Amino acid sequence: AQTVTQSQPEMSVQEAETVTLSCTYDTSESNYYLFWYKQPPSRQMILVIRQEAYKQQNATENRFSVNFQKAAKSFSLKISDSQLGDTAMYFCAFRDNYGQNFVFGPGTRLSVLP
Amino acid sequence: DTGVSQNPRHKITKRGQNVTFRCDPISEHNRLYWYRQTLGQGPEFLTYFQNEAQLEKSRLLSDRFSAERPKGSFSTLEIQRTEQGDSAMYLCALGGGTGELFFGEGSRLTVL
Repeated sequence: AQTVTQSQPEMSVQEAETVTLSCTYDTSESNYYLFWYKQPPSRQMILVIRQEAYKQQNATENRFSVNFQKAAKSFSLKISDSQLGDTAMYFCAFRDNYGQNFVFGPGTRLSVLP
Repeated sequence: DTGVSQNPRHKITKRGQNVTFRCDPISEHNRLYWYRQTLGQGPEFLTYFQNEAQLEKSRLLSDRFSAERPKGSFSTLEIQRTEQGDSAMYLCALGGGTGELFFGEGSRLTVL
């Protein structure tokens, strides 16, 4: 079974600074999808960024980018120019190419400090 | 707006009672998921529908849980004989065209 690990339960960053959230996963599959989701306090889960495993190029969405290391099974999220609105729980998620079950990590609570 | 409406948003019930949650996609989506999220944890998969067919169920979905999607549009999740351990946020999500999930705001269950 696939597993997703986020080793940083909590992190903080100063506004306008850069922060990197870690995620590792375990799978025997070669084709799969990886995602980062953001869940602001008392609000719904929002997709931040997605990555297909067959693509070598790291995905980027505005201030958000990933460092996807397939051999190491690592998928970190970098947030540049952090904003107060980035304060949220961040979940890393895995989905294989055939199944429909998304596996989520335990989350990292990010606080952006003014 | 992710196009998913969930009701009720919060349900408080006594142990042993039955509860039902409803998920209404605003637009057509073939794939509909239910997840459960406990405080401080990531969502856990419960079940998945492709149109009206329930194609996958987690072992977390005990016989007290049942989900339906009768016409391939809205879905319901019923929990019978609730237990305190059922207290959680129940999330409905729709499958996007490029493999991602779009979540609703969730229905929070508190079992006293």
